[in-house]
Order: sequence, then C-alpha cells, then structure tokens
Amino acid sequence: GDSVTQMEGPVTLSEEAFLTINCTYTATGYPSLFWYVQYPGEGLQLLLKATKADDKGSNKGFEATYRKETTSFHLEKGSVQVSDSAVYFCALSAGNNRKLIWGLGTSLAVNP
Amino acid sequence: DSGVTQTPKHLITATGQRVTLRCSPRSGDLSVYWYQQSLDQGLQFLIQYYNGEERAKGNILERFSAQQFPDLHSELNLSSLELGDSALYFCASSGTSGGVSTDTQYFGPGTRLTVL
Repeated sequence: GDSVTQMEGPVTLSEEAFLTINCTYTATGYPSLFWYVQYPGEGLQLLLKATKADDKGSNKGFEATYRKETTSFHLEKGSVQVSDSAVYFCALSAGNNRKLIWGLGTSLAVNP
Repeated sequence: DSGVTQTPKHLITATGQRVTLRCSPRSGDLSVYWYQQSLDQGLQFLIQYYNGEERAKGNILERFSAQQFPDLHSELNLSSLELGDSALYFCASSGTSGGVSTDTQYFGPGTRLTVL
C-alpha cells in the first residue's frame, strides 16, 4: 500500500543553518504531497504542498519539489530561525477519498 | 486559525467509559476526516465522511464510531475505553470540486484524550 518515509529526528541546528528533511513515498497513481508542521502544544498546520511532478511548493522560506523519478519530496530552508522549532510531517493524499498517509514526523530544534 | 473547531480540548476519563468528540468543519466544507495521533503509532487515518455519508474507513477500532450530521458537524464516539486509546484526536475538513473532496485538508486544534 501507499506509504511515506521521512528521516528520523531529532534534528538540532543552530540559527541561520541550512535545513533539509528527507521524505520519500510509495504510491500507486499520482498522489499529492504535503508538509505539515506541528508547533509545541498546537495542532497541524499546512506548510506547503505540490500536486504533480516537478511542482515546487513554498511557504515561509520553506520549499519542497515533487520528484517523481526519485519518489521524493524533501523539505528545505536556507536559514532556519528559533521559531521554526517544531515537528514536521510529510504526507501524501491519494484516491478519491483523499485520506492522508503520514510519515512519522521529524522533530527540529533550532538553537540561538 | 484554520476555521475547523474541535471540542473539548482536553478530556480525562477512566477505562471502560464512553466519550464523544465533536468537530465543526470550515464553512462550506463537506468532507470531514478523523485522525488519531499517538506516540507509538504516529498519525493514522480513522474515518472520512462526506455530506453525511461515510466515504472511507481506515484503522478504526470497532469500539469507535462516527457520524456527520445535516449541519455537517461530526462526532467521533469512543467506547469501552482502554489505556491505549489515550491520544490526540484531530478532525480535518476539505472542500469539494466536481463531487469529490479536494486534496488540501485543514486541521482543528485536536482533542487530547487521557484514559486513566
């Protein structure tokens, strides 16, 4: 069945460092791909999405490109801030019901 | 603010009890999804409703049930609760295009259930 694998955390970075969180997927058909973020004590917020191959999603300095050839959707940010400390989830949506299938989440801690 | 509301925010109850979690989707959204987030299993899809009808089922236990009402709010009922049911339960909603759900889901703040 469909699945999402993302790199395990926790990831600890210094402020202004470059961030990459790897995400790969297995799916039949053509899924949409998402990154959601969960700040401490809060719910899930959509960070960015891409709906077809070679699409780039971007928001708040974060970017991810839908790579069909490598079945990947890696999250990147050029310069992280302390306020980016959160758990990041990669997910895919497939089928008519559009249910989300999730990776296990990657915890990011950014130190000043 | 996503526009999706969930009540209550926290729920503490005992094993064997039954609880009801409530969700109101964004205005105009017909699809409601329920997810469970637990430490050992991560985020899992439970069930989806579309305009009052069940559309898809995931890893939902037989002790759990849900429904969507004519005003589109949804309730998730959990019964015969066990310690392992302690988790964060999220509701999400999405819009419609051409009679099917669109792919972006907006999440409520969640209900944290603690079973003692």
